[in-house]
Amino acid sequence: SAVISQKPSRDICQRGTSLTIQCQVDSQVTMMFWYRQQPGQSLTLIATANQGSEATYESGFVIDKFPISRPNLTFSTLTVSNMSPEDSSIYLCSVARLGIEQISYEQYFGPGTRLTVT
Amino acid sequence: DAKTTQPNSMESNEEEPVHLPCNHSTISGTDYIHWYRQLPSQGPEYVIHGLTSNVNNRMASLAIAEDRKSSTLILHRATLRDAAVYYCILSGGATNKLIFGTGTLLAVQP
Repeated sequence: SAVISQKPSRDICQRGTSLTIQCQVDSQVTMMFWYRQQPGQSLTLIATANQGSEATYESGFVIDKFPISRPNLTFSTLTVSNMSPEDSSIYLCSVARLGIEQISYEQYFGPGTRLTVT
Repeated sequence: DAKTTQPNSMESNEEEPVHLPCNHSTISGTDYIHWYRQLPSQGPEYVIHGLTSNVNNRMASLAIAEDRKSSTLILHRATLRDAAVYYCILSGGATNKLIFGTGTLLAVQP
């Protein structure tokens, strides 16, 4: 398993500002992901955070809006830039280790960061 | 990414078995079937996964149809703590991405 912490746990921000969310894992992991969960909705994958290279973004998400860093195998950040009320969501990171045939069988999720943009 | 179809909601009584169905008719040969659940105000947690054969672990059992176009998550004795949204997800290949659908909201009555 993996123990994941996220900072901050929640924040209220003004529109037009930016917030950086941190994700820390208690041990080295191969893969890290960032998700968004809007109120009452399912999770939407934002991007895969790649160590030492640019993140891989899903359709509808761009680096200018959601820059991601992953400097090592235990840490990643997601920045929500130039925020608007539509960015109000819970942001979650998840991690996985690769097993046989480079497949991850389990992902572990952090507790999430609840963001409200006013 | 292959799509899954689940009922929006289901209800069960405490201490009774629960069978949560999932259809995935476009599954490819390399797709694993994963189940996750999300308890209220928490991040999702892994429940079980399988490829072709039925699987059992301490949390649940996974029954996979012979043609792999459907599967069923079985909770043997539901407890109030099992009330959650259950997600059936297909994942395969090098990306290891999980694409969440809408899931099934399971309510457990005492």
